[in-house]
Amino acid sequence: NAGVTQTPKFQVLKTGQSMTLQCAQDMNHNSMYWYRQDPGMGLRLIYYSASEGTTDKGEVPNGYNVSRLNKREFSLRLESAAPSQTSVYFCASSGTGIGQETQYFGPGTRLLVL
Amino acid sequence: TQLLEQSPQFLSIQEGENLTVYCNSSSVFSSLQWYRQEPGEGPVLLVTVVTGGEVKKLKRLTFQFGDARKDSSLHITAAQTGDTGLYLCAGARAGGTSYGKLTFGQGTILTVHP
Repeated sequence: NAGVTQTPKFQVLKTGQSMTLQCAQDMNHNSMYWYRQDPGMGLRLIYYSASEGTTDKGEVPNGYNVSRLNKREFSLRLESAAPSQTSVYFCASSGTGIGQETQYFGPGTRLLVL
Repeated sequence: TQLLEQSPQFLSIQEGENLTVYCNSSSVFSSLQWYRQEPGEGPVLLVTVVTGGEVKKLKRLTFQFGDARKDSSLHITAAQTGDTGLYLCAGARAGGTSYGKLTFGQGTILTVHP
């Protein structure tokens, strides 16, 4: 049981390049999330998807787009990377309903934008 | 945007000492979660507290949810080097468009020296 998987683990981009971060979960969860983690800032929500076919903006959505491809997969796209997007990106998933707020996180993608 | 203020941001102690981490907000949460994150990995849930005034114990860790469900604390007794890591609190709100989303504190980096 893999839980939440993310690819790639590391990436270096030049300013203006684009890339897609992949995330998949095998826990049959309805909800999926993308966060970025910066020193002293905790985890900040970029986008989330409450169910297949729906996506909503989080706290810091600018410069990002997402696709909920199916129930398992939720991808994050940077169309034109900027140095301010250098960060560690985490994908997470959770069930729905009272008592199912626990989020399960992937191992993260470390992104450096030069 | 609701905020969760976590303190202290850094904590460096000797093995065997006790410590407390605080998580405060002006907002009411339906539940409060504590996560622990090790370097190079995603956060992992330690505990969820749901009821105002609730106290939960996990071996040497004691978690408390404030009566008004606006604040929480994590107390570690007789810290060990294996407790070293980043501790994150996260608040959940039930209902409406916020359902399922978590607001994270900035995190506390705990270092326990032998």
